[in-house]
Amino acid sequence: DVHLVESGGDLVQPGGSLRLSCAASGFTFSDYSMNWVRQAPGKEPEWVAYMSARINTITYADSVRGRFTISRDNARRSLYLQMSRLRVEDTAVYYCARGEGSPDFWGQGTLVTVSS
Amino acid sequence: DIQMTQSPSTLSASIGDRVTITCRASQDVSRWVAWYQQKPGRAPKLLIYKASTLEYGVPSRFSGSGYGTEFTFTISSLQPDDFATYYCQQYNIFRTFGQGTKVEIK
Repeated sequence: DVHLVESGGDLVQPGGSLRLSCAASGFTFSDYSMNWVRQAPGKEPEWVAYMSARINTITYADSVRGRFTISRDNARRSLYLQMSRLRVEDTAVYYCARGEGSPDFWGQGTLVTVSS
Repeated sequence: DIQMTQSPSTLSASIGDRVTITCRASQDVSRWVAWYQQKPGRAPKLLIYKASTLEYGVPSRFSGSGYGTEFTFTISSLQPDDFATYYCQQYNIFRTFGQGTKVEIK
């Protein structure tokens, strides 16, 4: 079975940093593009970042470009999101999701709260 | 940015009803539209991709259609497990989601 397990969510002050991780199992991680998608309370999902399988294509949403960095370690079957200069509006559940334009498997999410 | 305008925002229906949700893109997205189901406290679940292709394992009562800027999602006969929020998503240019449609019990 495909499993994606996110971790690293926490309460952080505005301007702070956080690193999220996503551990993948049940499929050949290195064959798949991966995404981070977030969802603020009561809102629709918002795609955050994308990285292709071979790490030759990376894209970011305008709202996070320059502050967030997506990365992956195919040997460890893990996806990461380094978040810096966090803002109150970055508060959300962050999901990692497998696949190209329409991700087919999502993790259970990890909560990031940005508040003073 | 491409905007996805979904309607209605809330829909009240009974078991066995036919349910239709529409999504309008602010510009042509070809067939690059997906539909997701989300239940409280859970991640979105992919139901349909490429506007009309049913994801593996998804019941055939779910269907999608459309091209360009107008898209439709249909549940042919609403079942108890279908009460949830549904989102459209375009992936022609980056990815954006509609605001969601909550399907409630009438």
